[in-house]
Amino acid sequence: AQSVSQHNHHVILSEAASLELGCNYSYGGTVNLFWYVQYPGQHLQLLLKYFSGDPLVKGIKGFEAEFIKSKFSFNLRKPSVQWSDTAEYFCAVKGGGYNKLIFGAGTRLAVHP
Amino acid sequence: DTGVSQDPRHKITKRGQNVTFRCDPISEHNRLYWYRQTLGQGPEFLTYFQNEAQLEKSRLLSDRFSAERPKGSFSTLEIQRTEQGDSAMYLCASSPPSGAPYNEQFFGPGTRLTVL
Repeated sequence: AQSVSQHNHHVILSEAASLELGCNYSYGGTVNLFWYVQYPGQHLQLLLKYFSGDPLVKGIKGFEAEFIKSKFSFNLRKPSVQWSDTAEYFCAVKGGGYNKLIFGAGTRLAVHP
Repeated sequence: DTGVSQDPRHKITKRGQNVTFRCDPISEHNRLYWYRQTLGQGPEFLTYFQNEAQLEKSRLLSDRFSAERPKGSFSTLEIQRTEQGDSAMYLCASSPPSGAPYNEQFFGPGTRLTVL
C-alpha cells in the first residue's frame, strides 16, 4: 500500500532562515507528487506539484521541491522564510492508477519574526 | 466565489444521530472526492466520484457511511448512527476532467463534525 512519511512534525524557524521539509513515499511505480499548505483558518491549497519532466519544480511564494526517484523523496525547500509562511504543510502522492491522494501527517511550521 | 463549497461548516450532534453533509464542487469539475482529517493527521481518502459514478471507496468507509452524487454535480455524505470516533473534519475536493494538464484537487473549507 502507498504511504507518505513526513519526518518533521513541528519546525520552528526565525525569519530569513532556510527551510527544508522532508517527504518520503512508498510506491515503486509512476507517481504524481504534491505539496499542499494550510494557513491558519484557511483550507488546503496547492503549493506545487510534480507530474513528469524536470525533477526540480517551482511553486508559489518562492517554494520549490526536488523529486529524487532513487530516494523516493520529494523534499520541500525555501531559501528564506517569512512570518507569513507559518502554516501546516502536507506532502501527498497519487499513483497506481488511483485518483485518490495519500497524504503525510503534515509538518507544522512556525516562523518567528 | 467559484471554489468548492461545503455545508454546514460545523455540526455538533449526539452519538447515535444521523448527519448529512453537502459539497458543491467547482462547476466544470466532474471529479469529486471526500476525505476525513483528524487532529494531527493528514487527510485520509474516503471516496471518489467521476460524474455520478462512485468509482473508488476506502475501507475506512464503513457501512454507516454513504455518499451520493445523483446528478453528477453536488454530493452528499451521510453518516448514520454517529459514534464519537467519527468526530473529524470532513473535506471535499474536486478536479477537472481527465486529460486536463496537471490535474490538481481543489479543496473546500471542510465540515467539522463533533459527536458528543
